[in-house]
Parts: sequence; C-alpha cells; structure tokens
Amino acid sequence: GAGVSQSPSNKVTEKGKDVELRCDPISGHTALYWYRQSLGQGLEFLIYFQGNSAPDKSGLPSDRFSAERTGGSVSTLTIQRTQQEDSAVYLCASSFRQGSYEQYFGPGTRLTVT
Amino acid sequence: QQQVKQSPQSLIVQKGGISIINCAYENTAFDYFPWYQQFPGKGPALLIAIRPDVSEKKEGRFTISFNKSAKQFSLHIMDSQPGDSATYFCAASMLSSNYQLIWGAGTKLIIKP
Repeated sequence: GAGVSQSPSNKVTEKGKDVELRCDPISGHTALYWYRQSLGQGLEFLIYFQGNSAPDKSGLPSDRFSAERTGGSVSTLTIQRTQQEDSAVYLCASSFRQGSYEQYFGPGTRLTVT
Repeated sequence: QQQVKQSPQSLIVQKGGISIINCAYENTAFDYFPWYQQFPGKGPALLIAIRPDVSEKKEGRFTISFNKSAKQFSLHIMDSQPGDSATYFCAASMLSSNYQLIWGAGTKLIIKP
C-alpha cells in the first residue's frame, strides 16, 4: 500500500514568514510522529500524536512550533515567524498502534529559511 | 542519560567485507533498539530492530548484536555491497516515552567496488 507522504518536498521561505508542512500517514496507522533532521542537531523528536489523545509536545523547540492532527489522520506542522535555524528536513513517521515500535517514515520536507 | 552514541562517523569497506557500526546508550529503560538506513533525499527506512531480551537478531545479511550489561549494540553487514552505501542510524526508544526515537548521530557507509 501507499507509504507516508509529505508535502511540499521542498520549501524556501523568507525569515519571519509562517510555513505549514503536511503529513499523510499510512492508512490505519494511529500513531504519528514528527522529527527534525538538521546538520547541527542530527535527528530529533518534535511531537507525537496517538488517536484522539492529547499530543506529546515535549520535543517542540519553541512556541513558534505547533502541530495538529485532524480526524486522526493528516497532520500539519506549523512554524511561525521562521528563523534561519529552523532550516532542516522535517520528517513524519507513522506506526500502527500505541506501543507499536515500528515507525515508517515519509521522504521529508526540506525547509530553507533565507 | 537520553543520548545514544554512535561510531564511527564514517566507514569505508571493500565490497564483500563486513561493515560494523557501534552504538552505546545510558538509559536502561530503553526497550527497543532499531537501525535505520537512509539514502540521500529519502526518509529513514527501518532495517532491523531488537528488544533487550535477546542478544542477537539476524535478517539476511544484517545482524544486530546486543550487549545488555555493557549497554551497547552493533550492526553488522555481511558481504557488504555497493548498494549498501548509505547513512545508518541507530536509535533507542521506550514505551514510557511513546516510543519516540532517540537517535545516534549516524554513520556514512561507503562500500568500494
């Protein structure tokens, strides 16, 4: 079946603008994760959604970052007032159920803040 | 205590040789240890994973060796092929953190033909 999809694949934005990144998880997967991959910080966890439960936002680096998941499926990561240090690849992963440890990743969105 | 330390940073192996990448962790609460393979421009792909109740897991040419007492685990790629050239990440996670992955820094593997 279809894997995790993310859009856009690339996004270039000016410093101070807001951006929205989208993730479509694998159909039927109830858990969804966002990670960030950057040269300086490597791969780091951002946020976790499980079904209709309150998300685990413990990895969000600042209050400029927020995410939502509508209908238990599609997720949007929003970065407000982007800064140059936000430049990174933003990866989304989904897994089948709570406590299931196999995460499947999308291709990522490469964000460049100029 | 949340860190996962991975070495080497880069590795060059001749075709047909054995590639070995090592990881170490501190938090004994981790209960799942996956390895991911990433090609340029792609997301990480799950390669193989192990739970701490076993010392070794093999899938084809890929083997994880796990040493619980030393808090170390390693990936062995047997008969390495040029198509294995990629960046490899070890990770660790635990149920109490919703299995969010704590990542090693990555190893860039180059297999020379």
